Amino acid sequence: DAMVIQNPRYQVTQFGKPVTLSCSQTLNHNVMYWYQQKSSQAPKLLFHYYDKDFNNEADTPDNFQSRRPNTSFCFLDIRSPGLGDAAMYLCATSRGDRGVYEQYFGPGTRLTVT
Amino acid sequence: GQQVMQIPQYQHVQEGEDFTTYCNSSTTLSNIQWYKQRPGGHPVFLIQLVKSGEVKKQKRLTFQFGEAKKNSSLHITATQTTDVGTYFCAGPNGGSQGNLIFGKGTKLSVKP
Repeated sequence: DAMVIQNPRYQVTQFGKPVTLSCSQTLNHNVMYWYQQKSSQAPKLLFHYYDKDFNNEADTPDNFQSRRPNTSFCFLDIRSPGLGDAAMYLCATSRGDRGVYEQYFGPGTRLTVT
Repeated sequence: GQQVMQIPQYQHVQEGEDFTTYCNSSTTLSNIQWYKQRPGGHPVFLIQLVKSGEVKKQKRLTFQFGEAKKNSSLHITATQTTDVGTYFCAGPNGGSQGNLIFGKGTKLSVKP
């Protein structure tokens, strides 16, 4: 089945220790998104790729970076995680066609910072 | 900046009762989407509304898009325990293709 896969599902890292979260998709969608979701809050967009074109949200901290080496994979790098970065990180994809914006979310990676 | 507001934040109902969540945008939307997130799960796309005044039904769920394309509602008839979760509306961010601004969501709990 076509899907969005995120690994790992749970990640524990130490304060200040770099961590990378991964996302892959078999939907062949050209847009990939990274969201941060804290408890009882809406998903907050960090950045997205339209094909290879990277788009950063204005309020995304510099501590967060992303890479998309090919259509199928996208990575979220947190260079120096702080306690406030503990959250669920959701990857999503979209066809990105004009007028078609539904997003398909992966199961998420729950990040704990100790 | 563009805002998408959603009320209520929480709703507790007895199984069998109806439920409605409302979504309002500060700007006119080209479309509006609804997602459901089960406890411990991820958002799942439910529906997209595009036309002014559009009404769509999915079994017990009825979605409406306002005439001015600035508001929307989701109504669930005769709730069941399987309806439990948070319902988010989301509208396109006017500045970027495909980006969505999510409402804060309405968390529905259903008492059996």
